Amino acid sequence: GQQLNQSPQSMFIQEGEDVSMNCTSSSIFNTWLWYKQDPGEGPVLLIALYKAGELTSNGRLTAQFGITRKDSFLNISASIPSDVGIYFCAGHDMRFGAGTRLTVKP
Amino acid sequence: GAGVSQSPRYKVAKRGQDVALRCDPISGHVSLFWYQQALGQGPEFLTYFQNEAQLDKSGLPSDRFFAERPEGSVSTLKIQRTQQEDSAVYLCASSLGVPSSGANVLTFGAGSRLTVL
Repeated sequence: GQQLNQSPQSMFIQEGEDVSMNCTSSSIFNTWLWYKQDPGEGPVLLIALYKAGELTSNGRLTAQFGITRKDSFLNISASIPSDVGIYFCAGHDMRFGAGTRLTVKP
Repeated sequence: GAGVSQSPRYKVAKRGQDVALRCDPISGHVSLFWYQQALGQGPEFLTYFQNEAQLDKSGLPSDRFFAERPEGSVSTLKIQRTQQEDSAVYLCASSLGVPSSGANVLTFGAGSRLTVL
């Protein structure tokens, strides 16, 4: 079956820094979804992508659907303490990656 | 309701007990998913319903796990003869459309945390 690989597994950054994380798949997708999960909560949607090459922003977040349709990245600019959490990607089959755990030091 | 509601939020069971976890999806949502999330891991797919039909149950780890959605709205995940390795957060999510559509964004509940002693 398909596998999603997220990297990096964890990141420790200083407040104000930019962050980049990505997700790759062994299969072609027609959807990429990026979610954030805070402790004790369910994941919450950040950005949804539906077309190869699509670049979408949501505030300080930007995500792109890779041209090969097998990858996607998420960037966070000018990180703030509330960006702390676990970021997950998912494809159209609604299977999730293992997540990138982000820690932001004030 | 406005969001996906799951109950109970916390459940402690003795090994061997049966448990039932409930999910109330957003009204009118066609798709409903169950996931198992172990500590420090991503949500692992368990099963998928389209209305009342269980179209994919390939993620259920054993025949001790059973899910139903008899009227196409509320769903129950049942775990029989619980084992310690069943300890996890069980997440339910729903979406307006089917996974391959443009209306496939999942809204998650807060989860049910199961601890098996």
